[in-house]
Amino acid sequence: GDSVTQTEGQVALSEEDFLTIHCNYSASGYPTLFWYVQYPGEGPQLLFRASRDKEKGSSRGFEATYDKGTTSFHLRKASVQESDSAVYYCALSNNNNAPRFGAGTKLSVKP
Amino acid sequence: GGIITQTPKFLIGQEGQKLTLKCQQNFNHDTMYWYRQDSGKGLRLIYYSITENDLQKGDLSEGYDASREKKSSFSLTVTSAQKNEMAVFLCASSKDRGRGTEVFFGKGTRLTVV
Repeated sequence: GDSVTQTEGQVALSEEDFLTIHCNYSASGYPTLFWYVQYPGEGPQLLFRASRDKEKGSSRGFEATYDKGTTSFHLRKASVQESDSAVYYCALSNNNNAPRFGAGTKLSVKP
Repeated sequence: GGIITQTPKFLIGQEGQKLTLKCQQNFNHDTMYWYRQDSGKGLRLIYYSITENDLQKGDLSEGYDASREKKSSFSLTVTSAQKNEMAVFLCASSKDRGRGTEVFFGKGTRLTVV
Protein backbone atom coordinates (compact mmCIF):
# COMPACT_ATOMS: atom_id res chain seq x y z
CA GLY A 1 0.00 0.00 0.00
CA ASP A 2 0.90 3.68 -0.15
CA SER A 3 3.30 4.93 2.50
CA VAL A 4 5.36 7.90 3.61
CA THR A 5 8.74 7.83 5.36
CA GLN A 6 10.16 10.71 7.38
CA THR A 7 13.73 10.03 8.41
CA GLU A 8 14.12 12.53 11.25
CA GLY A 9 12.17 11.89 14.44
CA GLN A 10 13.44 15.02 16.19
CA VAL A 11 15.34 18.07 15.00
CA ALA A 12 16.86 20.67 17.33
CA LEU A 13 17.99 23.99 15.83
CA SER A 14 18.77 27.55 16.84
CA GLU A 15 16.95 30.58 15.44
CA GLU A 16 18.04 31.53 11.89
CA ASP A 17 19.33 27.99 11.19
CA PHE A 18 18.41 26.25 7.93
CA LEU A 19 15.86 23.46 8.21
CA THR A 20 15.52 20.30 6.15
CA ILE A 21 13.10 17.49 6.99
CA HIS A 22 13.27 14.56 4.60
CA CYS A 23 10.15 12.88 3.23
CA ASN A 24 10.08 9.99 0.77
CA TYR A 25 6.97 8.25 -0.46
CA SER A 26 5.94 4.97 -2.02
CA ALA A 27 2.84 5.06 -4.21
CA SER A 28 1.67 4.33 -7.74
CA GLY A 29 0.80 7.06 -10.19
CA TYR A 30 0.71 10.69 -9.09
CA PRO A 31 -0.37 11.08 -5.48
CA THR A 32 -0.91 14.50 -3.98
CA LEU A 33 1.74 15.25 -1.35
CA PHE A 34 1.14 17.38 1.74
CA TRP A 35 2.96 18.91 4.68
CA TYR A 36 0.90 19.38 7.85
CA VAL A 37 2.01 21.17 11.04
CA GLN A 38 0.78 20.46 14.56
CA TYR A 39 1.24 22.93 17.40
CA PRO A 40 0.92 21.81 21.04
CA GLY A 41 -2.69 21.20 22.05
CA GLU A 42 -3.96 21.49 18.48
CA GLY A 43 -4.77 19.12 15.66
CA PRO A 44 -2.56 19.02 12.55
CA GLN A 45 -3.28 21.74 9.98
CA LEU A 46 -2.34 21.98 6.33
CA LEU A 47 0.88 23.85 5.58
CA PHE A 48 0.77 23.30 1.79
CA ARG A 49 0.39 20.63 -0.90
CA ALA A 50 1.64 19.73 -4.39
CA SER A 51 0.05 17.49 -7.02
CA ARG A 52 2.44 17.35 -10.01
CA ASP A 53 6.06 16.47 -10.63
CA LYS A 54 8.35 19.54 -10.10
CA GLU A 55 5.50 21.54 -8.49
CA LYS A 56 6.65 23.61 -5.51
CA GLY A 57 4.41 24.09 -2.53
CA SER A 58 5.11 26.89 -0.05
CA SER A 59 3.72 28.73 2.93
CA ARG A 60 5.09 30.91 5.76
CA GLY A 61 8.66 30.58 4.42
CA PHE A 62 8.49 26.77 4.24
CA GLU A 63 8.74 25.06 0.86
CA ALA A 64 8.99 21.64 -0.75
CA THR A 65 9.25 20.44 -4.35
CA TYR A 66 7.49 17.34 -5.66
CA ASP A 67 10.16 15.07 -7.18
CA LYS A 68 8.74 11.95 -8.81
CA GLY A 69 12.21 10.77 -9.87
CA THR A 70 13.46 10.47 -6.29
CA THR A 71 9.93 10.03 -4.81
CA SER A 72 10.62 12.86 -2.39
CA PHE A 73 8.97 15.97 -0.96
CA HIS A 74 11.55 17.39 1.46
CA LEU A 75 10.54 20.32 3.67
CA ARG A 76 12.95 23.29 3.82
CA LYS A 77 13.09 26.68 5.46
CA ALA A 78 16.01 29.07 5.15
CA SER A 79 15.79 30.67 8.60
CA VAL A 80 13.71 29.10 11.37
CA GLN A 81 12.15 30.99 14.26
CA GLU A 82 11.25 29.84 17.77
CA SER A 83 7.57 30.04 16.75
CA ASP A 84 8.20 27.29 14.15
CA SER A 85 8.62 24.75 16.97
CA ALA A 86 5.99 22.10 16.26
CA VAL A 87 5.53 18.60 14.85
CA TYR A 88 5.62 18.35 11.05
CA TYR A 89 3.91 15.54 9.13
CA CYS A 90 4.42 14.56 5.52
CA ALA A 91 1.34 12.92 3.97
CA LEU A 92 0.04 11.59 0.68
CA SER A 93 -3.35 11.01 -0.85
CA ASN A 94 -3.86 8.76 -3.88
CA ASN A 95 -6.72 7.27 -5.92
CA ASN A 96 -9.53 8.54 -3.68
CA ASN A 97 -8.05 6.72 -0.69
CA ALA A 98 -7.80 8.25 2.76
CA PRO A 99 -4.59 10.23 3.36
CA ARG A 100 -1.60 8.40 4.83
CA PHE A 101 0.76 10.22 7.16
CA GLY A 102 4.41 9.80 8.09
CA ALA A 103 5.76 9.31 11.61
CA GLY A 104 6.17 13.03 12.19
CA THR A 105 9.22 15.18 12.99
CA LYS A 106 9.35 17.23 16.15
CA LEU A 107 11.14 20.52 15.51
CA SER A 108 12.51 22.44 18.50
CA VAL A 109 14.01 25.88 17.87
CA LYS A 110 16.05 27.63 20.58
CA PRO A 111 16.06 31.43 20.73
CA GLY B 1 -15.07 27.97 8.23
CA GLY B 2 -16.03 25.27 10.63
CA ILE B 3 -14.92 23.31 13.62
CA ILE B 4 -14.45 19.69 14.68
CA THR B 5 -15.40 18.96 18.27
CA GLN B 6 -14.14 15.83 19.97
CA THR B 7 -15.48 14.59 23.31
CA PRO B 8 -14.20 13.85 25.81
CA LYS B 9 -10.82 15.61 25.74
CA PHE B 10 -9.41 13.11 28.23
CA LEU B 11 -10.60 9.54 28.76
CA ILE B 12 -9.37 7.17 31.45
CA GLY B 13 -10.55 3.59 31.19
CA GLN B 14 -10.05 0.24 32.82
CA GLU B 15 -8.47 -2.75 31.12
CA GLY B 16 -11.10 -4.68 29.13
CA GLN B 17 -13.58 -1.81 29.16
CA LYS B 18 -15.51 -0.70 26.09
CA LEU B 19 -14.91 3.01 25.51
CA THR B 20 -16.57 5.39 23.04
CA LEU B 21 -15.10 8.56 21.57
CA LYS B 22 -17.35 11.08 19.84
CA CYS B 23 -16.75 13.58 17.05
CA GLN B 24 -18.94 16.30 15.51
CA GLN B 25 -18.17 18.54 12.53
CA ASN B 26 -20.05 21.57 11.21
CA PHE B 27 -18.18 21.91 7.90
CA ASN B 28 -20.92 19.86 6.18
CA HIS B 29 -18.12 17.60 4.93
CA ASP B 30 -18.92 14.22 3.36
CA THR B 31 -15.85 12.30 4.56
CA MET B 32 -14.76 11.75 8.14
CA TYR B 33 -11.76 9.92 9.60
CA TRP B 34 -10.35 8.52 12.82
CA TYR B 35 -6.58 8.46 13.25
CA ARG B 36 -4.52 7.21 16.19
CA GLN B 37 -1.47 9.28 17.11
CA ASP B 38 1.43 7.60 18.92
CA SER B 39 4.78 9.19 19.58
CA GLY B 40 7.26 7.99 16.96
CA LYS B 41 4.58 6.29 14.86
CA GLY B 42 2.76 9.26 13.49
CA LEU B 43 -0.90 9.19 12.49
CA ARG B 44 -2.34 5.79 11.63
CA LEU B 45 -5.75 5.44 10.00
CA ILE B 46 -8.30 3.44 11.99
CA TYR B 47 -11.58 3.98 10.11
CA TYR B 48 -13.05 6.41 7.64
CA SER B 49 -16.50 7.09 6.21
CA ILE B 50 -17.36 8.69 2.87
CA THR B 51 -21.02 9.30 3.70
CA GLU B 52 -23.69 8.64 6.32
CA ASN B 53 -23.84 4.92 7.29
CA ASP B 54 -20.68 4.11 5.31
CA LEU B 55 -17.61 2.61 7.02
CA GLN B 56 -14.20 1.79 5.53
CA LYS B 57 -11.46 0.01 7.50
CA GLY B 58 -8.07 1.63 7.77
CA ASP B 59 -4.68 0.15 8.58
CA LEU B 60 -5.36 -0.20 12.32
CA SER B 61 -9.03 -1.20 12.56
CA GLU B 62 -8.61 -4.34 14.67
CA GLY B 63 -9.87 -3.71 18.19
CA TYR B 64 -12.08 -0.80 17.11
CA ASP B 65 -15.61 -0.24 15.83
CA ALA B 66 -16.99 2.93 14.28
CA SER B 67 -20.40 4.40 13.56
CA ARG B 68 -21.58 7.19 11.19
CA GLU B 69 -25.29 7.60 11.87
CA LYS B 70 -25.42 11.24 10.79
CA LYS B 71 -23.41 13.24 8.28
CA SER B 72 -22.11 15.50 11.04
CA SER B 73 -21.02 12.85 13.53
CA PHE B 74 -18.60 9.94 13.63
CA SER B 75 -17.96 7.86 16.74
CA LEU B 76 -15.20 5.38 17.54
CA THR B 77 -15.43 2.53 20.04
CA VAL B 78 -12.45 0.81 21.61
CA THR B 79 -13.94 -2.66 22.01
CA SER B 80 -11.62 -3.85 24.82
CA ALA B 81 -9.13 -1.35 26.21
CA GLN B 82 -5.58 -2.67 26.65
CA LYS B 83 -3.72 -2.02 29.92
CA ASN B 84 -0.95 0.60 29.68
CA GLU B 85 -2.38 1.84 26.40
CA MET B 86 -1.85 5.55 25.89
CA ALA B 87 -2.58 7.40 22.69
CA VAL B 88 -4.29 10.43 21.22
CA PHE B 89 -7.21 9.79 18.88
CA LEU B 90 -7.76 12.42 16.21
CA CYS B 91 -11.01 12.90 14.33
CA ALA B 92 -10.85 14.64 10.97
CA SER B 93 -13.05 15.55 8.03
CA SER B 94 -12.71 16.57 4.39
CA LYS B 95 -15.08 17.87 1.74
CA ASP B 96 -14.64 14.68 -0.25
CA ARG B 97 -11.94 12.04 -0.68
CA GLY B 98 -10.39 13.46 -3.82
CA ARG B 99 -6.64 13.08 -3.81
CA GLY B 100 -5.90 16.80 -3.36
CA THR B 101 -8.44 17.46 -0.64
CA GLU B 102 -7.37 19.15 2.59
CA VAL B 103 -8.16 17.32 5.82
CA PHE B 104 -9.29 19.29 8.90
CA PHE B 105 -8.58 17.89 12.36
CA GLY B 106 -10.05 18.14 15.82
CA LYS B 107 -7.87 18.65 18.89
CA GLY B 108 -7.97 15.01 19.92
CA THR B 109 -9.06 12.71 22.73
CA ARG B 110 -6.22 11.48 24.95
CA LEU B 111 -6.82 7.92 26.14
CA THR B 112 -5.17 6.35 29.18
CA VAL B 113 -5.91 2.77 30.23
CA VAL B 114 -5.13 1.78 33.80
